[in-house]
Amino acid sequence: GAVVSQHPSRVICKSGTSVKIECRSLDFQATTMFWYRQFPKQSLMLMATSNEGSKATYEQGVEKDKFLINHASLTLSTLTVTSAHPEDSSFYICSAYKQGLRNTEAFFGQGTRLTVV
Amino acid sequence: LAKTTQPISMDSYEGQEVNITCSHNNIATNDYITWYQQFPSQGPRFIIQGYKTKVTNEVASLFIPADRKSSTLSLPRVSLSDTAVYYCLVVQTGANNLFFGTGTRLTVIP
Repeated sequence: GAVVSQHPSRVICKSGTSVKIECRSLDFQATTMFWYRQFPKQSLMLMATSNEGSKATYEQGVEKDKFLINHASLTLSTLTVTSAHPEDSSFYICSAYKQGLRNTEAFFGQGTRLTVV
Repeated sequence: LAKTTQPISMDSYEGQEVNITCSHNNIATNDYITWYQQFPSQGPRFIIQGYKTKVTNEVASLFIPADRKSSTLSLPRVSLSDTAVYYCLVVQTGANNLFFGTGTRLTVIP
């Protein structure tokens, strides 16, 4: 079953509005979660690292004021796309690491397809 | 960060074995190699991970030569449902953030 859950899976919003995407670790605690963006036919691009109880770390070129990240608990990180524009339309994916029997493995959410109209 | 290079796309018939090779010439001593699979409109899924020689699980095998400058993901007897993008990543021990390369788009043909 799913280890990392994202919600919603799809969202359509009007230009200028804000959209919040949730990422939950279902049966483990994640002090760190990661947010990626993926455009059609392209690879995943790391946007930011979400840190529980502290500020997120953003990759170069990612606007922190536009992509607000909150990691208020050990099982939930949220990404808010503020004042969304059509060019923000993309597939957003979160991930978290879970310690397994053999190794630490990254689990990804099912992704959120954002369409800004 | 060790850069990875893999073929952009591959086609294979059902039932065949598929080998996808990834180059990572500047891999460091503390790095290990991980492969992920991604279906359209889904998040990536872990396939296999290794450091050297050969690793096998219920899904695939991973071959890593002694110099570790490349690795080969081997998928036995592929089916149509194996059509996906396969990403090779080199990850530093203890690092948590993953940087994805271009991936290989595998298309399995009936």
